[in-house]
Amino acid sequence: NAGVTQTPKFQVLKTGQSMTLQCAQDMNHNSMYWYRQDPGMGLRLIYYSASEGTTDKGEVPNGYNVSRLNKREFSLRLESAAPSQTSVYFCASSTRGTGIDGYTFGSGTRLTVV
Amino acid sequence: GQQLNQSPQSMFIQEGEDVSMNCTSSSIFNTWLWYKQDPGEGPVLLIALYKAGELTSNGRLTAQFGITRKDSFLNISASIPSDVGIYFCAGMNYGGSQGNLIFGKGTKLSVKP
Repeated sequence: NAGVTQTPKFQVLKTGQSMTLQCAQDMNHNSMYWYRQDPGMGLRLIYYSASEGTTDKGEVPNGYNVSRLNKREFSLRLESAAPSQTSVYFCASSTRGTGIDGYTFGSGTRLTVV
Repeated sequence: GQQLNQSPQSMFIQEGEDVSMNCTSSSIFNTWLWYKQDPGEGPVLLIALYKAGELTSNGRLTAQFGITRKDSFLNISASIPSDVGIYFCAGMNYGGSQGNLIFGKGTKLSVKP
């Protein structure tokens, strides 16, 4: 099992460019999440999708949009990249409700905006 | 919003030493989780705690869910070089439409051989 797969692993963008970060999970999880990680800030939730067809804002949603394409895939889009969006982005998935085993994370996308 | 205070921020220890780190919160959580992040990788779940007072071990790792449900600690015994990484605590209140993890800012562990 691959778990959670993120693409690309690395990306450099110019200010104002757009791009989409892809995430797919093969664990039949209902819920999926996008986090960003910055030095000294821990992981902060950008958007999440509790189930197919639903998305909600997290702690830091400004400048981002998401699409839950189907149960497996959850993409994060930057419409007009800014240097403040330079970060490491992690996608995660989980089962929903009680009996949680915790979130499973992908290996991250390292994004630099110049 | 809910916040977790994780301490210490960083630790430099000698191989073979024991390590202790903790997390506190101003509000109650139903679940506490401890993750480890290796350089260049995503966080990986180490231990999950579901009941107040619960003490759980995973090899050399031991974690406890505080009685008040506002804190948790993680101990690593007899540290080895591969313990190097960033350790995150996370609290969650599941149920309803969504369970959302709140992360601490991490404890960076360095181990000298």
